[in-house]
Amino acid sequence: AQSVTQPDIHITVSEGASLELRCNYSYGATPYLFWYVQSPGQGLQLLLKYFSGDTLVQGIKGFEAEFKRSQSSFNLRKPSVHWSDAAEYFCAVRGNFGNEKLTFGTGTRLTIIP
Amino acid sequence: SQTIHQWPATLVQPVGSPLSLECTVEGTSNPNLYWYRQAAGRGLQLLFYSVGIGQISSEVPQNLSASRPQDRQFILSSKKLLLSDSGFYLCAWRLQGPSNSPLHFGNGTRLTVT
Repeated sequence: AQSVTQPDIHITVSEGASLELRCNYSYGATPYLFWYVQSPGQGLQLLLKYFSGDTLVQGIKGFEAEFKRSQSSFNLRKPSVHWSDAAEYFCAVRGNFGNEKLTFGTGTRLTIIP
Repeated sequence: SQTIHQWPATLVQPVGSPLSLECTVEGTSNPNLYWYRQAAGRGLQLLFYSVGIGQISSEVPQNLSASRPQDRQFILSSKKLLLSDSGFYLCAWRLQGPSNSPLHFGNGTRLTVT
């Protein structure tokens, strides 16, 4: 079974600074990987996804993520954060053999300071 | 375009009362449907999923049940709520078939059992 670890529960960055949110997964093969963002009291919105091919994937809102097989990681990055990026971020993994279960990490809460 | 509706947005119910949360999807046919629960400060837990009318798979044995009476309708129910049923409930859908299709979430229902 697959699993996901987001080691940082809470991260605070200054507006305009760069951001990297960590995600490590466990799966026997190359899984399908996703990053979602959740604003308070709202559902989750898909930021980006990785299936195969280019290991650097671009998403919405200026986010990107890099798949590193050797490190079993799929870290989310943004070169310059905006106050509106304050939210909870979830990494998720699904196996690629008809597995219906999308397994989520416990999330990283991002706070932006002026 | 596809949309997902979930209601109510918030709900306060006494212990022992019944529950019915509804979710509908528009703009697509025969989607896979999901119910997740999100407890405070924790990740998302898959409760039920459905690949077709009347087909329900349960991930976690509990006080809840799910039904899919129509192709694009998914209902989460309980006969008698427990305090531990409090949480944020999210409905989601995805295209049936390719395992790499992402989940799309509704805005959630905040359930407080008193």
